[in-house]
Amino acid sequence: DTGVSQNPRHKITKRGQNVTFRCDPISEHNRLYWYRQTLGQGPEFLTYFQNEAQLEKSRLLSDRFSAERPKGSFSTLEIQRTEQGDSAMYLCASSRGGSRTDTQYFGPGTRLTVL
Amino acid sequence: EDQVTQSPEALRLQEGESSSLNCSYTVSGLRGLFWYRQDPGKGPEFLFTLYSAGEEKEKERLKATLTKKESFLHITAPKPEDSATYLCAVQVSGTYKYIFGTGTRLKVLA
Repeated sequence: DTGVSQNPRHKITKRGQNVTFRCDPISEHNRLYWYRQTLGQGPEFLTYFQNEAQLEKSRLLSDRFSAERPKGSFSTLEIQRTEQGDSAMYLCASSRGGSRTDTQYFGPGTRLTVL
Repeated sequence: EDQVTQSPEALRLQEGESSSLNCSYTVSGLRGLFWYRQDPGKGPEFLFTLYSAGEEKEKERLKATLTKKESFLHITAPKPEDSATYLCAVQVSGTYKYIFGTGTRLKVLA
């Protein structure tokens, strides 16, 4: 396994702009998750995919956030009309699935700064 | 409401000084409890999964234990390279998302 990869690693944008992040999970992992982490806090769940189906979304995910996993492989997270409060580390994780073994493996994250 | 609380928030140890980190949880049903290590600017690195009370897992200087209400991460004779933030997460029955605590920032001094 090559691990979960995320691109870009860093993104600086101006308020009001749209941004898109990409996540490539570990191959053959059918579950993919997005989390957001701010300084001094633990990761906070945003959304979850099983294959291409988005099965769970946090109430915190406003309508400016959208995520896709079109072919059940990589995923994208888009934030429209960014706000300064969106500045955070966006983490992607994947897991193999199965009734019990569902350990999530995290990527290095994308650090977003909104000016 | 499902909740995870970690203590202490920060911990400074001398090299070789053993200690324990605590993760207490209140959930409707526990599917699993997970420990991760996170270095600054990086994603969490998986350490352990615990499923049921009484379970223990060990890896090098780390040992994780689980009861019905809390988990401990014991660090024996820590080294400076063990300095990191240690995160605890729970997976609640009926869902696949993790609920994380805020972490314990560990600093081990040489």
